[in-house]
Amino acid sequence: DSGVTQTPKHLITATGQRVTLRCSPRSGDLSVYWYQQSLDQGLQFLIQYYNGEERAKGNILERFSAQQFPDLHSELNLSSLELGDSALYFCASSVTSGSPDTQYFGPGTRLTVL
Amino acid sequence: TQLLEQSPQFLSIQEGENLTVYCNSSSVFSSLQWYRQEPGEGPVLLVTVVTGGEVKKLKRLTFQFGDARKDSSLHITAAQTGDTGLYLCAGYNYNNNDMRFGAGTRLTVKP
Repeated sequence: DSGVTQTPKHLITATGQRVTLRCSPRSGDLSVYWYQQSLDQGLQFLIQYYNGEERAKGNILERFSAQQFPDLHSELNLSSLELGDSALYFCASSVTSGSPDTQYFGPGTRLTVL
Repeated sequence: TQLLEQSPQFLSIQEGENLTVYCNSSSVFSSLQWYRQEPGEGPVLLVTVVTGGEVKKLKRLTFQFGDARKDSSLHITAAQTGDTGLYLCAGYNYNNNDMRFGAGTRLTVKP
């Protein structure tokens, strides 16, 4: 158990819909990272927040957005969903904002878009 | 196109054998990390290497960072069934706070 929690564990929805994935970092960690993992693309970094502010942006689509709240939990919002958005979405947390720093990954949310 | 190329993509060996997997890039990284991911779980950090030429050992696992900080290898001695999993390398660039993962090597160790 990494100490990072993600909900829900599974999510099935239809194309065009909007979903919200939630992540609670480990106690004391200020950074939250979001990743997308699909079979053909591997693990892709989406976005990082540090203490409530966006710190780095990766391959995140404009249909996707995220935020980190004052209690440090984070939400990833996915809208206008397409079949290709089906993937595992991981959240990770770390103490600081840079590297080398250990990122602790949550168990992931499996999103299926039908 | 993956910034980090991992090879082989799949590897199936018998328990007790040795193996090496590779992580290569044309880019220089500030640091490089190796993770292992088991089915249904998130990746777990194994090691971070920072200095070119650095070698780190973790029990039966030996990690090496290339002199030019563009590539890395992971060597496992006397593999065990518990080593089965997806091994991911991730390169970090301090200048733009960018981390990229390779596609991984899926290792199966058969009893």
